[in-house]
Amino acid sequence: AQSVTQPDIHITVSEGASLELRCNYSYGATPYLFWYVQSPGQGLQLLLKYFSGDTLVQGIKGFEAEFKRSQSSFNLRKPSVHWSDAAEYFCAVDPGTASKLTFGTGTRLQVTL
Amino acid sequence: EAGVAQSPRYKIIEKRQSVAFWCNPISGHATLYWYQQILGQGPKLLIQFQNNGVVDDSQLPKDRFSAERLKGVDSTLKIQPAKLEDSAVYLCASSKGLIVAGYNEQFFGPGTRLTVL
Repeated sequence: AQSVTQPDIHITVSEGASLELRCNYSYGATPYLFWYVQSPGQGLQLLLKYFSGDTLVQGIKGFEAEFKRSQSSFNLRKPSVHWSDAAEYFCAVDPGTASKLTFGTGTRLQVTL
Repeated sequence: EAGVAQSPRYKIIEKRQSVAFWCNPISGHATLYWYQQILGQGPKLLIQFQNNGVVDDSQLPKDRFSAERLKGVDSTLKIQPAKLEDSAVYLCASSKGLIVAGYNEQFFGPGTRLTVL
């Protein structure tokens, strides 16, 4: 069965600092890969997705992610974090056959001023 | 374009009571999903509808949970009777196309936070 691991439960960064959130997946083939953000009291918002092709994908709000097949990873990055980025971030995979998402446990990002 | 609507936003009940959640997807979206998000965990798919038919309900605890999507539009998720471990946020999502047409982005509602005492 496919699975998603987000090893960092909670991360704190200073505003303006760079950010990297880790995601590893376990699946036989390369699935579709996603990053979502969830602010308190809000639903999930799609930040970016990877299906195939260029392994560096750009998303909304200045986020990017890099797919590394050899490491089964899809890490999320942002060069300079803003206080409004404080939220919970979820990595998710979809085998691509039935539009069903499997989510990681999430990483809570705290931004200090 | 209006997003996915859910109600109520919050619900507190005692164990063994029943509860129902309502979801209205984005207009024209064929596929509807219900997820359960327990505190500290990622969302877990409970049931997936395409139009008014069930595509996947393999993770729905059918002894206490039921869901329907009459007329292929809005949907109701019911729990009867509720247990303490059902405390969670219940998220509804919808996507535009049919599953066989390939990937379709899921759009999520704000969720219903259920507390079972």
